[in-house]
Amino acid sequence: DTGVSQDPRHKITKRGQNVTFRCDPISEHNRLYWYRQTLGQGPEFLTYFQNEAQLEKSRLLSDRFSAERPKGSFSTLEIQRTEQGDSAMYLCASSSGGDRGSGNTIYFGEGSWLTVV
Amino acid sequence: AQSVAQPEDQVNVAEGNPLTVKCTYSVSGNPYLFWYVQYPNRGLQFLLKYITGDNLVKGSYGFEAEFNKSQTSFHLKKPSALVSDSALYFCAVRDINDMRFGAGTRLTVKP
Repeated sequence: DTGVSQDPRHKITKRGQNVTFRCDPISEHNRLYWYRQTLGQGPEFLTYFQNEAQLEKSRLLSDRFSAERPKGSFSTLEIQRTEQGDSAMYLCASSSGGDRGSGNTIYFGEGSWLTVV
Repeated sequence: AQSVAQPEDQVNVAEGNPLTVKCTYSVSGNPYLFWYVQYPNRGLQFLLKYITGDNLVKGSYGFEAEFNKSQTSFHLKKPSALVSDSALYFCAVRDINDMRFGAGTRLTVKP
């Protein structure tokens, strides 16, 4: 399967613990995105990488959140000192490059569900 | 900023009937519009997109969408609905560095 891969698919953690999610994008894609989705809502943009450079971060990405893409391939999203409000599905997506605002399709992974208890 | 709106939270249709899921957009410049489908506990699957060209765009699973510039709409359609089409559908518009999504429309197809 050459789609976007996310791990783990589900994570239950206690409030205050740290969690890390991993994303492996489609191999030829140089752009990688993280989104968050809560029940009944559409995905909300968190951050975006072009190769290894993190080019944009949403205001939704508080200081407790950090994302990396060290070699321009896979990415990790870490949430420190988790809160119950962090419970959501975290979606990773990737696309090929192009002009800013191009019509390149963004392809999504299956998501990582986080439940903070 | 670019945005889309999905005016219906829920659409119910009978199997075999045509379906329409509505989407309107607000953009500056040329719109790049997308439809995605989401099944329970799954990620989003790409259905189709409009970039330029023909106003009627054909996509996966028999879905199509009609781009209407005068009405700023991009409605998703299918001539004959299947029970397996029941899912959450999202309209989206490409912004500078990301995709902006509508709130979603839950489609239920009844046998």
